[in-house]
Parts: sequence; C-alpha cells; structure tokens
Amino acid sequence: NAGVTQTPKFQVLKTGQSMTLQCAQDMNHNSMYWYRQDPGMGLRLIYYSASEGTTDKGEVPNGYNVSRLNKREFSLRLESAAPSQTSVYFCASSRAQGYTNTEAFFGQGTRLTVV
Amino acid sequence: AQKITQTQPGMFVQEKEAVTLDCTYDTSDPSYGLFWYKQPSSGEMIFLIYQGSYDQQNATEGRYSLNFQKARKSANLVISASQLGDSAMYFCAMREWRRVQGAQKLVFGQGTRLTINP
Repeated sequence: NAGVTQTPKFQVLKTGQSMTLQCAQDMNHNSMYWYRQDPGMGLRLIYYSASEGTTDKGEVPNGYNVSRLNKREFSLRLESAAPSQTSVYFCASSRAQGYTNTEAFFGQGTRLTVV
Repeated sequence: AQKITQTQPGMFVQEKEAVTLDCTYDTSDPSYGLFWYKQPSSGEMIFLIYQGSYDQQNATEGRYSLNFQKARKSANLVISASQLGDSAMYFCAMREWRRVQGAQKLVFGQGTRLTINP
C-alpha cells in the first residue's frame, strides 16, 4: 500500500534550471496538494487540485506551475529555479467532501536545493 | 479568506503531564473541517485527529482530544499523559467545504514545537 509517492527525494539545481516534481497516489483520492516547508516554518500551499481537471492557486504560487495529469498524478514544475525556492516540498492527497475520513495523506517530501 | 493561527512557537512540558496546543481559525464558511498533524524530526506528516464543524462532540483519538469551541473559533489539541515520543512539531489545519472554485484548500498554521522533558 504505497499511499502518496513523491519523486525525487533529493535534488540540487542550479539557478535558472527547470525541473518537475512528480506525485502519485493510489488511494483514489479526488483532491491533491503541493506544499513547501521552509526551515522552522509551517506548510504553505503552492497549488491544489480539488478534483481531476481543476487546479487552483494557493498561498505562494509564483514561480510554479502544476498539472493534474489524471486522478492519480499531480506534478509541480519549476520553470526557472531560484535560490528562494530552496525548500522541502510535500505532496498530499485527500478524499473530497462527503466522506468521513477526509484527512490528507502526505508523501515523504522532496528536499530541493537551488544554488 | 480562511486563516489558521498557532500562537505558541514552542512549548516545554514535563513527561506525563497534559499539554494543550492552541489553534484559532477564521472562516466565513459554516461547513469546514479542522485537522491536527504531528511532524517528528524525521520529517513525515502524521495525521492525529479531525473535527467537523457540525460535529456535536469533541473528537478524541487515544491520548489526543480536540477542544472545539465553535463560537470562539478555537480548536485546541490536548495531549494527555505526555510521552518523550510526543516531542515534535504540531500543525493545525483547516479545510472549507464549499463547492466553489478556489475553496476546499487545506491550509496550515505555523506550527508549535513541543518538547517533552524527562
């Protein structure tokens, strides 16, 4: 039972490089999220997808794009990485409204360093 | 816009004591859910407890309980009989349930670092 799988776990980028963080869930969840967590800070929402086919901006969307490829997969793209995007990135998924168990399940995180 | 506030950056508690972690929230939506997560030093996010806005009873899960005061918009986490393994960051989160574009996002507070002393 894999749950939420993020790849890669670690990545070092040079300023200006691009990359895509991959996320897949096998729990048939409708909603998926991308967060970033800076040292000693809480989780800040970058983008989320309430259901397949929809995406919405969160609190800190600048510099990022997302794709909800299908119900299972939600990717996060950095087009031109900046040192300010050095962070730990978490993907999460949850059931939609109407279910009793609607907590979000998290991936293990991707530690990204931009030099 | 929904907002979550955790006013205690850090707390230190003696082992076996009970501890209350504060969380206040702000929303105009009458339908929402409140969550608490634990993040140990290893970094993973562990779900602890959930409270729905229409739930009549305060949620409980083992040693965790949620002191839900709807009129005050607070959802404090109570850990009874604390253990050394409870040392971690704790996050409060909220999700609105409106079926409106842009709603239903899950938003987190800044967190409280809890340290249990032997």
